[in-house]
Amino acid sequence: DSGVTQTPKHLITATGQRVTLRCSPRSGDLSVYWYQQSLDQGLQFLIQYYNGEERAKGNILERFSAQQFPDLHSELNLSSLELGDSALYFCASSPTVYYGYTFGSGTRLTVV
Amino acid sequence: AQTVTQSQPEMSVQEAETVTLSCTYDTSENNYYLFWYKQPPSRQMILVIRQEAYKQQNATENRFSVNFQKAAKSFSLKISDSQLGDTAMYFCAFMKHENPNNNDMRFGAGTRLTVKP
Repeated sequence: DSGVTQTPKHLITATGQRVTLRCSPRSGDLSVYWYQQSLDQGLQFLIQYYNGEERAKGNILERFSAQQFPDLHSELNLSSLELGDSALYFCASSPTVYYGYTFGSGTRLTVV
Repeated sequence: AQTVTQSQPEMSVQEAETVTLSCTYDTSENNYYLFWYKQPPSRQMILVIRQEAYKQQNATENRFSVNFQKAAKSFSLKISDSQLGDTAMYFCAFMKHENPNNNDMRFGAGTRLTVKP
């Protein structure tokens, strides 16, 4: 157990639907990062939050949004889902980037 | 923009042998951090080793060590005494040394390593 909790572990939904992925960072970590990993691909950075504020943005689609709540958990919202959105979505947290990230076990999203 | 290149999509090694995975990166920054992550079939991302660019000494973690060549922008991972449990996808990653609370890590495409018995 890395200390970063992601729910749900698996999600199957239809095209056009909306889903919410949840992440609880390690205790004490203020930064949360979201990454997308498509089949046999590398990790693509989506967005970073630090203590409730958006701090960095990657190639995140307009159909995707995220937020970090006062208790530091974060949610990634994916709407108008397309088949191509099927991927493994990782959340990671860090007390400070100098030591790298700790990743959750990911949410596998399948859009059918 | 920073890019990370892993030129070996797949590699294999015999158990107990040594293998080296390559990674190069492109940046104009002088201070940064480099990482190797391992992703076994479970898909969990596990930090293997990290290197601070301002440190010339190569990082080591048990059977894992790096060869960091700053001028050449090269950051290879050496795995000694390979074990079956080392079978995984290995990702090289780069992060700038900026405001530590405003940053993101960039990953290479990965190298799939298979350790054969």
